[in-house]
Amino acid sequence: NAGVTQTPKFQVLKTGQSMTLQCAQDMNHEYMSWYRQDPGMGLRLIHYSVGAGITDQGEVPNGYNVSRSTTEDFPLRLLSAAPSQTSVYFCASSYTVTSAYEQYFGPGTRLTVT
Amino acid sequence: AQKITQTQPGMFVQEKEAVTLDCTYDTSDQSYGLFWYKQPSSGEMIFLIYQGSYDEQNATEGRYSLNFQKARKSANLVISASQLGDSAMYFCAMRDFTLYNQGGKLIFGQGTELSVKP
Repeated sequence: NAGVTQTPKFQVLKTGQSMTLQCAQDMNHEYMSWYRQDPGMGLRLIHYSVGAGITDQGEVPNGYNVSRSTTEDFPLRLLSAAPSQTSVYFCASSYTVTSAYEQYFGPGTRLTVT
Repeated sequence: AQKITQTQPGMFVQEKEAVTLDCTYDTSDQSYGLFWYKQPSSGEMIFLIYQGSYDEQNATEGRYSLNFQKARKSANLVISASQLGDSAMYFCAMRDFTLYNQGGKLIFGQGTELSVKP
């Protein structure tokens, strides 16, 4: 049982490049989400999914796309990287959207856009 | 709008002493949960403790307890017998259990950096 895994751990992009941050969980969780963490601002929700085939926008969705073709995987795509997207990205999952307990977080991806 | 406020950007505590990290929240919902996460320098988010809005007793998990005062909308984390390994950033977060709120997102405070002195 690996929990929530994220790849890569570190990434450097040039402005305008695209890439996909991978997230997978092996706990059969329905709910998955992506957050970004910027200094002094806590974590903010980018996109989320309440089940395979269903995604929706969070608080800061601009510049990012997601898809959920399987229960296990929830990749985050940066369409055209910008320096403002330099951040630490966390993927999280929980059994359902109304789970009364914690969301499990992945280890994070540290992204730098130059 | 829902909001979490952590007013202590940084705190120091002597090893083996207890420390309280403050958290206040704002919501008009009746059903919600309050969480504390620890983020060490390695970066991962570690779940510490959970309190449901309808729970009558304060939550406890080992050395961690949550001082829940619903009327005051506060959910302070108490760490007893601090250890050097407790040095980290601590985040208070809230989640309401309604689908319309962006899928029940976690709303985080800005964090408190705790340093434990030997």
